[in-house]
Amino acid sequence: DSGVTQTPKHLITATGQRVTLRCSPRSGDLSVYWYQQSLDQGLQFLIQYYNGEERAKGNILERFSAQQFPDLHSELNLSSLELGDSALYFCASSAGQGFAGGELFFGEGSRLTVL
Amino acid sequence: DAKTTQPNSMESNEEEPVHLPCNHSTISGTDYIHWYRQLPSQGPEYVIHGLTSNVNNRMASLAIAEDRKSSTLILHRATLRDAAVYYCILRDNGGSNYKLTFGKGTLLTVNP
Repeated sequence: DSGVTQTPKHLITATGQRVTLRCSPRSGDLSVYWYQQSLDQGLQFLIQYYNGEERAKGNILERFSAQQFPDLHSELNLSSLELGDSALYFCASSAGQGFAGGELFFGEGSRLTVL
Repeated sequence: DAKTTQPNSMESNEEEPVHLPCNHSTISGTDYIHWYRQLPSQGPEYVIHGLTSNVNNRMASLAIAEDRKSSTLILHRATLRDAAVYYCILRDNGGSNYKLTFGKGTLLTVNP
């Protein structure tokens, strides 16, 4: 158990819909990272937050947005869903802003299926 | 981000040592070498990391070449639970963000 909690574990929805994925980081961790894993693209970095502020952005689509709240939990919002958005979405947390010698702790992921 | 090159797959027998290679010829002086693994249907899991010196922990050992252009993850006695995709990642300590950029990794199969 990494200590990172993601909900829901599974989600099935239709094209055009909007969903919200939630992540609770490990106790005390200030950084949250979101990753997308699909069969053809592997693990892709989406976005990082540190203590409520956006720190880094990866290949995140404009239809996707995220935020980190004062209690440090984070939400990833996916809108106007397309079939290609079907994937596993992982959240990870780390203790600080991201010292390169530190480790990331990953949750078990949220599996999104868009029909 | 500096790139790493790993074999697509490797096979090992249970209770034998496994040496997983990684090439990173464009590594910079501020890059840490990280290894993560992903077991089936799970999120990635931290294994080990290092900068210049060899490192050991309860899971594995990391051997880093003197010129830092390559490294090897060593599992001393493979078990069936070690079957996973292993990712070698360079993480830049010189920038303002510290995301991990995953490649395709090495799929390790452990035979009983």
